[in-house]
Amino acid sequence: DTVLTQSPALAVSPGERVTISCRASESVSTLMHWYQQKPGQQPTLLIYLASNLESGVPARFSGSGSGTDFTLTIDPVEADDTATYYCQQSWNDPRTFGGGTKLELK
Amino acid sequence: EVQLQESGPGLVKPSQSLSLTCSVTGYSITSNYWGWIRKFPGNKMEWMGYISYSGSTSYNPSLKSRISITRDTSKNQFFLQLNSVTTEDTATYYCARSEAMMVLPFDYWGQGVMVTVSS
Repeated sequence: DTVLTQSPALAVSPGERVTISCRASESVSTLMHWYQQKPGQQPTLLIYLASNLESGVPARFSGSGSGTDFTLTIDPVEADDTATYYCQQSWNDPRTFGGGTKLELK
Repeated sequence: EVQLQESGPGLVKPSQSLSLTCSVTGYSITSNYWGWIRKFPGNKMEWMGYISYSGSTSYNPSLKSRISITRDTSKNQFFLQLNSVTTEDTATYYCARSEAMMVLPFDYWGQGVMVTVSS
């Protein structure tokens, strides 16, 4: 299985820029997607195919990368962005998710 | 608007079968792909499998001997059955849609149902 590795947690101040990384154990081309999950809620799609912003998602969110290294950027961070962020690949079977990065606001 | 809602028992005994229903409104399950994903305590997420618009299925190899996904198109519902459960299957179970399973992500998710496996 393709293993996706994310940093467990980050803490930033409102107004700052934050980058959340996801590294794949093998190439996934650009078939990488990002989700946000707030406590008690279902995941919501933010970015698909590495860099495409899902409809309705604020332009503060952006994604980049290809191959094995991917980044989700939030700029500027707002208090409402407190959540866990997951990457997920759909290039290799089975689809796999990263372990999640918990974003906390200082 | 596409809406998905999971339902089923919140407590299952070890060695028994876990059965969940995903009810879909606002979109026909005879289009696109409909999957099950679970989130374990501690945040690990696992794709379990899907059923396609045509009724074909694909499962995570880690579950292949225990899982079955079926559907009832007349009720616009699809179902998860996981056999011989253990405490390791305790998780929150989500159903979700993908427009193209081989490429695209899960764009609509249900609220999730927490299932505990315990005697």
